[in-house]
Amino acid sequence: KAGVTQTPRYLIKTRGQQVTLSCSPISGHRSVSWYQQTPGQGLQFLFEYFSETQRNKGNFPGRFSGRQFSNSRSEMNVSTLELGDSALYLCASSLADAGGGYGYTFGSGTRLTVV
Amino acid sequence: GNSVTQMEGPVTLSEEAFLTINCTYTATGYPSLFWYVQYPGEGLQLLLKATKADDKGSNKGFEATYRKETTSFHLEKGSVQVSDSAVYFCALSINTGNQFYFGTGTSLTVIP
Repeated sequence: KAGVTQTPRYLIKTRGQQVTLSCSPISGHRSVSWYQQTPGQGLQFLFEYFSETQRNKGNFPGRFSGRQFSNSRSEMNVSTLELGDSALYLCASSLADAGGGYGYTFGSGTRLTVV
Repeated sequence: GNSVTQMEGPVTLSEEAFLTINCTYTATGYPSLFWYVQYPGEGLQLLLKATKADDKGSNKGFEATYRKETTSFHLEKGSVQVSDSAVYFCALSINTGNQFYFGTGTSLTVIP
């Protein structure tokens, strides 16, 4: 059974550019969440999608956006990149349609470096 | 609000030593509690979970018991191995959504 697949694994972008990250959840998982991980802030919740609808959003500026497609694949986009956006971006999928008792399955992440 | 507090690291232990990583939480509602582990260069892996008070989660020799009276979910292992070296995250989720709240992580290094 394939796990959560994130592409690309590594990215280097220049300040001011935009970037799109992709996540393919485990087959049958309809909930996809995104987290930003940095040494200083730890794991911070970005947003969660279920059946193409954003259900929860963390405290990030509007430069961070996402979407989910009908096949549950998800993308997140960061526009006008800043140096502080350098981080590991983790995608996680879950069986749950409400409530978190099932737990997440995480992908290996996309390491974004902004220069 | 909802939050998780776990002990600061890093923690360094000798092989076969006893491990405890403390985790306490605050939550609105009735949370489910989790421990995740992250190996270098990888995403987080679910280690164990407990979904109601007094439940004990266990996996690979690790255990944690959901203690509602002390709002705690401490991770324990009786005899650690070098391969257990990783960062451990305590987390909670609440039943009104699928958002998880993570602790800051505790880095564990086990030396032979």
